[in-house]
Amino acid sequence: GAGVSQSPSNKVTEKGKDVELRCDPISGHTALYWYRQSLGQGLEFLIYFQGNSAPDKSGLPSDRFSAERTGGSVSTLTIQRTQQEDSAVYLCASSFLRQGGEQFFGPGTRLTVL
Amino acid sequence: GQQLNQSPQSMFIQEGEDVSMNCTSSSIFNTWLWYKQDPGEGPVLLIALYKAGELTSNGRLTAQFGITRKDSFLNISASIPSDVGIYFCAGGYNNNDMRFGAGTRLTVKP
Repeated sequence: GAGVSQSPSNKVTEKGKDVELRCDPISGHTALYWYRQSLGQGLEFLIYFQGNSAPDKSGLPSDRFSAERTGGSVSTLTIQRTQQEDSAVYLCASSFLRQGGEQFFGPGTRLTVL
Repeated sequence: GQQLNQSPQSMFIQEGEDVSMNCTSSSIFNTWLWYKQDPGEGPVLLIALYKAGELTSNGRLTAQFGITRKDSFLNISASIPSDVGIYFCAGGYNNNDMRFGAGTRLTVKP
C-alpha cells in the first residue's frame, strides 16, 4: 500500500482479555517499530524489528506484551491479560533503513480497556 | 530509552504569530527529524536534517540542525489555525534508534 496501515483503528476490550494489534508497513521497508502513546503524551518506544528479528525489545513494559513479524512484512503486537493502564494509542512505524531512517507512521490503534 | 528534551511542552498563540520550539540531547546525533501529529492521526514527517548547521525550509516551517549536533529547532512563521497539533522532534546516530521528544502541543487562537 501507499502508507503504513494498522488495524483495528479502535479496540474496546474487557480487563483480562487478550488483544492483537496489526501493522502493515510500507512495502520494502525493512525496519518496523511499535510505540505507545498515552492521552496527550509523547511516544513511548516498545519494540523494533529489522526484518523478522527483534534486536531491541527494551521498551516492552511487561511480559504480557509480545510482538512478532512474519515475512519481513506484517507485524502483530499482542497484549495478554489486558489491564486498564494498557489503554492508549498504539502506533506502528516503518523505515527503509534503521540508521537514521525516516520513520513513517500509521494512524494508530486506540485501545480502551474497561 | 534515551529521551530528548523538547521545549516548550505547550504553546498558546494568536493566529499570525511566529512559533519556535527546540530539542536538546546529551548525545551527538547525525539525524534530526521533525514530525507533526494531528488529533487522531499518526505523526507525519515535516522536515529531515542530516548535516550539522543545515537549515531547511518547508513552506512556513524552518528547521535547523545545531552546530554542536546536540540540538535542533523548528520555527513556524505566520501561524494559522491548521498548525494546531503536537510537534515531535526525533534524533538518531548511526546504529542507534531514533528517539523522540515528549512533544510540543501547539494551540492557535483565531
